[in-house]
Amino acid sequence: AQTVTQSQPEMSVQEAETVTLSCTYDTSESDYYLFWYKQPPSRQMILVIRQEAYKQQNATENRFSVNFQKAAKSFSLKISDSQLGDAAMYFCAATLTQGGSEKLVFGKGTKLTVNP
Amino acid sequence: KAGVTQTPRYLIKTRGQQVTLSCSPISGHRSVSWYQQTPGQGLQFLFEYFSETQRNKGNFPGRFSGRQFSNSRSEMNVSTLELGDSALYLCASSLPLAALYNEQFFGPGTRLTVL
Repeated sequence: AQTVTQSQPEMSVQEAETVTLSCTYDTSESDYYLFWYKQPPSRQMILVIRQEAYKQQNATENRFSVNFQKAAKSFSLKISDSQLGDAAMYFCAATLTQGGSEKLVFGKGTKLTVNP
Repeated sequence: KAGVTQTPRYLIKTRGQQVTLSCSPISGHRSVSWYQQTPGQGLQFLFEYFSETQRNKGNFPGRFSGRQFSNSRSEMNVSTLELGDSALYLCASSLPLAALYNEQFFGPGTRLTVL
C-alpha cells in the first residue's frame, strides 16, 4: 500500500531555534508531488511548502525548507528561527495513485510546540 | 477574496440518519476536494470534483457521496450514519485543473457528531 509516515507524533523547539520534522512515504511511482501542510489550533489548514518529485532542487519558502531524498523516499521539513506562531500540527502529504485514482495521502501529523 | 466556506460548522445526528454538508469554494476555483479527519485515522481523502465531475475517489463506502454544481459549490452526503462517521469534514478548493498536484485552500470544516 502506498503510505505516508510521520514518525514523530510530537516535537518541541525553543523559539529562534531550528527543528526538523520527518516524513517518509512509500510509492512505486516515479513522478508525484509532496506537500507539508500546517494546521494551527482551531484554524484552517494552510500549505507550507510543495515539492515536485522530478525536481532535484529542494523547495524553500522563507524559513521553511525541505530535504527531499527521492531514493530514500524521505521528505523532511526544516523550520529555521522558530516563532511562536509556528506552533501547529504539521501534516506531510503525497499525491499518489491507488486503484487507478489519484488521491492526496496524509501522514498522521506531528504536533509542534514552540517554547518561549 | 473570501476563503472556502463550509456549512454548517457543527452538526449532531443519530445513527441511521443521513446528512448533507455544503462547501463553497474560493471564487474562481473549479476544483473541490473533501477529506475526513479523525483522531484515529487522521486525514483521509474522500473525493475530488472538477467542473461537476468526480475525478478521483478515496476508499470510502458508497454511503459517502458528493456532487458539484455549475457554480462550483459542492455538497457531500453521508447516508445511514454510523458512530464511526463522527469526524471533522474538510473541504478544499483549488484553481488549476490538476488540483491534487497543487496548493489546496481548506475551509474551517464541519464537525459532525453521530450519537
